[in-house]
Amino acid sequence: AQSVTQPDIHITVSEGASLELRCNYSYGATPYLFWYVQSPGQGLQLLLKYFSGDTLVQGIKGFEAEFKRSQSSFNLRKPSVHWSDAAEYFCAVGAGEYGNKLVFGAGTILRVKS
Amino acid sequence: DAGVTQSPTHLIKTRGQQVTLRCSPISGHKSVSWYQQVLGQGPQFIFQYYEKEERGRGNFPDRFSARQFPNYSSELNVNALLLGDSALYLCASSFRTQATEAFFGQGTRLTVV
Repeated sequence: AQSVTQPDIHITVSEGASLELRCNYSYGATPYLFWYVQSPGQGLQLLLKYFSGDTLVQGIKGFEAEFKRSQSSFNLRKPSVHWSDAAEYFCAVGAGEYGNKLVFGAGTILRVKS
Repeated sequence: DAGVTQSPTHLIKTRGQQVTLRCSPISGHKSVSWYQQVLGQGPQFIFQYYEKEERGRGNFPDRFSARQFPNYSSELNVNALLLGDSALYLCASSFRTQATEAFFGQGTRLTVV
């Protein structure tokens, strides 16, 4: 069965420092991969997605992610974190017969210290 | 353009009661999916509907049911509520069945007491 692992429950970075959030997936075929962000009490906002092609994908708010098939990873990165980036981040893989359901990881809570 | 709208935003129910949650997708989107997010966990897939037909079901008991209307809005019903049903219920809409570009609503926070 498809699964997503986010090894880090919490991460704290200083404002202006770089960020990398880890994501590993388990999926038999070429996966559809996503990163979402959730602010407290809010819904999910799509940051970026990977379907095929270039393994480095750019998203909104200055985020990028790299798909590495050999490592079954899809890590999220940002070169310089802003205080407003503090939120919970979820990695997800598209699964099901039509790729119509998202299987999410448990999330990583990002804290930004000034 | 309005995004995905869900109602109500919060509600409190007693164990054993029934609840109905509502979702209106983005205009032009024909697919609606429901997710349950328990505190401290990632969202879990409950249902997907496309063109009023069920296209996917997650590992949830039969107490959970849903439907989609001709205008593509959707309702999620949960019967015989348990304390463990307390969660944020998220609705996502997309143009097609694939989860290629799913947009989420703000969610309905359900508390069962």
